[in-house]
Amino acid sequence: GAVVSQHPSRVICKSGTSVKIECRSLDFQATTMFWYRQFPKQSLMLMATSNEGSKATYEQGVEKDKFLINHASLTLSTLTVTSAHPEDSSFYICSATLAGDSTDTQYFGPGTRLTVL
Amino acid sequence: AQSVTQLDSQVPVFEEAPVELRCNYSSSVSVYLFWYVQYPNQGLQLLLKYLSGSTLVKSINGFEAEFNKSQTSFHLRKPSVHISDTAEYFCAVSGQNFVFGPGTRLSVLP
Repeated sequence: GAVVSQHPSRVICKSGTSVKIECRSLDFQATTMFWYRQFPKQSLMLMATSNEGSKATYEQGVEKDKFLINHASLTLSTLTVTSAHPEDSSFYICSATLAGDSTDTQYFGPGTRLTVL
Repeated sequence: AQSVTQLDSQVPVFEEAPVELRCNYSSSVSVYLFWYVQYPNQGLQLLLKYLSGSTLVKSINGFEAEFNKSQTSFHLRKPSVHISDTAEYFCAVSGQNFVFGPGTRLSVLP
């Protein structure tokens, strides 16, 4: 149980285009979903926290107009990287917590590797 | 504020040898503790977690971790590692918020 999927797993795009990454909880309802960014050989950097039906909360230094997050349902959150540039190339990982789980255990997706040319 | 320290950024060990990956935390509130594993080019997988009760928790693949409140530690151990255990291991705490440690890269050598 508690499976999280991401789509696509890998995407290559041209500079200036927008890319949408989907995060789905497959077998549970997710109260909250998180979006992380991971640089090579580094830990995860929390970008934003999203709750279903409300605006995402962005961490300091993360541009909300560049990284658009939509959490339309209890099983789906999307991250759109707008006007992507090469410096946005990274590994993006989402996670979700189960509705009603007071321990806040996070279950992670497999990640999406974004390469901006 | 909460914080998590993983003192060893890299741990090389020979196959079938024991290993300990260290994790210390600081928090002003009670916490839940987690170990996640990340294999190359993959997302994170929950390895084990301590919520309450017995301070020794075990995973299905032979890892175990012990919560030590007085030392604010949650070290991960395995008595005999395999090549397939080569991965990045992250310790995390949940309390005021969810905080990850910087990770420890375990390399199991033949």
